[in-house]
Amino acid sequence: SAVISQKPSRDICQRGTSLTIQCQVDSQVTMMFWYRQQPGQSLTLIATANQGSEATYESGFVIDKFPISRPNLTFSTLTVSNMSPEDSSIYLCSVELEGSSYEQYFGPGTRLTVT
Amino acid sequence: AQSVAQPEDQVNVAEGNPLTVKCTYSVSGNPYLFWYVQYPNRGLQFLLKYITGDNLVKGSYGFEAEFNKSQTSFHLKKPSALVSDSALYFCAVRDLGNNRLAFGKGNQVVVIP
Repeated sequence: SAVISQKPSRDICQRGTSLTIQCQVDSQVTMMFWYRQQPGQSLTLIATANQGSEATYESGFVIDKFPISRPNLTFSTLTVSNMSPEDSSIYLCSVELEGSSYEQYFGPGTRLTVT
Repeated sequence: AQSVAQPEDQVNVAEGNPLTVKCTYSVSGNPYLFWYVQYPNRGLQFLLKYITGDNLVKGSYGFEAEFNKSQTSFHLKKPSALVSDSALYFCAVRDLGNNRLAFGKGNQVVVIP
């Protein structure tokens, strides 16, 4: 397994502002992902974070709203831009480790509330 | 695109009784199947997976799951439930053709003392 940390763990933000969430892993990973989990809902994949290139976004998510960086194998950031109350969610980072046979390991999540 | 159905919203079971959480899936090819558990205010924890081989797979905390290709199911089971098993359980499927993991809606399990 891997130890995955996310910062911040929670935040309360005002409408129209932006928040950057950091994800740090203690092992080299093959894949990194960002998910959103709205209250009482399942997980929805936002994008795959690609090292050194643009992230691959899922339908319904765009780079202008959710810019993602992944400068190396163990670190990624997700920015939630121009926030609205509808962005209130838990944002989760996940990783696949080399040789893990496609298991994904999840960070503790960032609980975002937009007022 | 792959998808997962978890038909029940909540599963209630008495402590010591068998626990079953149902999952059916849809993929275009051979599936990779996973179960995760989420405790309150915690991230998701990996429980077990089916990739290939024996249809019955064993995982963490005494859980197991049975892959049934003809019924496209991957039900999670535990012979004797504990109060500490009360949590949110997610089934997920990955298509061999892409990197995406599709999650079911989740099942709240409540184990009654």
